[in-house]
Amino acid sequence: QKEVEQNSGPLSVPEGAIASLNCTYSDRVSQSFFWYRQYSGKSPELIMSIYSNGDKEDGRFTAQLNKASQYVSLLIRDSQPSDSATYLCAVRGSQGNLIFGKGTKLSVKP
Amino acid sequence: KAGVTQTPRYLIKTRGQQVTLSCSPISGHRSVSWYQQTPGQGLQFLFEYFSETQRNKGNFPGRFSGRQFSNSRSEMNVSTLELGDSALYLCASSLRTGRDDYGYTFGSGTRLTVV
Repeated sequence: QKEVEQNSGPLSVPEGAIASLNCTYSDRVSQSFFWYRQYSGKSPELIMSIYSNGDKEDGRFTAQLNKASQYVSLLIRDSQPSDSATYLCAVRGSQGNLIFGKGTKLSVKP
Repeated sequence: KAGVTQTPRYLIKTRGQQVTLSCSPISGHRSVSWYQQTPGQGLQFLFEYFSETQRNKGNFPGRFSGRQFSNSRSEMNVSTLELGDSALYLCASSLRTGRDDYGYTFGSGTRLTVV
């Protein structure tokens, strides 16, 4: 069973700080990686995708991928209370479906 | 454009009953996937349909089934409901070509409670 692992948290950071969320995956052939944000009571929404080793930046968000280490991370700069949510890492498995981690709950304190 | 539409939003059913959930994907998306989300297990893959064909299936019992229609709308059915089937059921549509992968767009989900 291919797996995606995340620290469940909660991860608590002060407003304005950098939040760092990490994810490891077991399937070496995975090529597509995603970060979703899920607010309480809502459905997941896609915030970042990354396909190549290195960094990808989009506004305050930076996704980092290291395929050799099977590691994906998400950095949120200048964290805001509105960033408080559960962040889900997802990996495209060899069968085609997205495999999700159980998520890391982030709390940004004003 | 309209997003992924799931109906109904909430359902309460009794053990042993069966239930059908509906999903309309984003216009132009031909792939529809279904997930079950529970606090303990997170998002677990049920099945994926593409052009009316089940392309992939997760590790769920045969009580869980689905189908996709020619207009890409999809339904999933759960028969002989058990208390453990209480969960948020999420439908996701995607546009994926051979090279490009845009991930999933999720609907708002159907919250199923089995009593």
